[in-house]
Amino acid sequence: AQTVTQSQPEMSVQEAETVTLSCTYDTSESDYYLFWYKQPPSRQMILVIRQEAYKQQNATENRFSVNFQKAAKSFSLKISDSQLGDAAMYFCAYREWGAQKLVFGQGTRLTINP
Amino acid sequence: DARVTQTPRHKVTEMGQEVTMRCQPILGHNTVFWYRQTMMQGLELLAYFRNRAPLDDSGMPKDRFSAEMPDATLATLKIQPSEPRDSAVYFCASGLGQGGQTFLYEQYFGPGTRLTVT
Repeated sequence: AQTVTQSQPEMSVQEAETVTLSCTYDTSESDYYLFWYKQPPSRQMILVIRQEAYKQQNATENRFSVNFQKAAKSFSLKISDSQLGDAAMYFCAYREWGAQKLVFGQGTRLTINP
Repeated sequence: DARVTQTPRHKVTEMGQEVTMRCQPILGHNTVFWYRQTMMQGLELLAYFRNRAPLDDSGMPKDRFSAEMPDATLATLKIQPSEPRDSAVYFCASGLGQGGQTFLYEQYFGPGTRLTVT
């Protein structure tokens, strides 16, 4: 079974600085999707960024970018120019190609220090 | 601004009572998911539907949980009887699937129902 591991239960960063959240996963599949979701105190799960495993180029969405290392099964999220509104739980998730189920990591709580 | 809605947002009930949670998926989405979030287990998939038909409910305790889609605009998750260990946040998510089961765009999550069973 696929598993997703986020080894950092908590992270903190100064406002305007850059922070990287780690995620590793275990799968025997070659085609799959990886996601980062943000969950602010409102509990709403918000999709931050998506990466298709067949794409070598790392996905980028404004201040958010990923470092996808397929051989290492690593998928880290970099947040540049951190803002107070970035404070939230961040979940890494995996979905096998052709499947519907998302497998989530345990989450990383990110605090932004003003 | 299309979004998934869930009711109620909060529910406190006593052990043994029936609980019904409702979800309205985004109009046009044909795939609906129910997830449960707890501190111990994290986020786990309970069940999901495609075109109102249940495709996978292997994550759901069958003896007390049931999930249905009476129509394309309403999904329900029912717990009867409820137990304290059911206390969690229950999320509904919807997405647009095409090509049978082989392709699904992103899942969009609702705000969740926080259930407390005393």
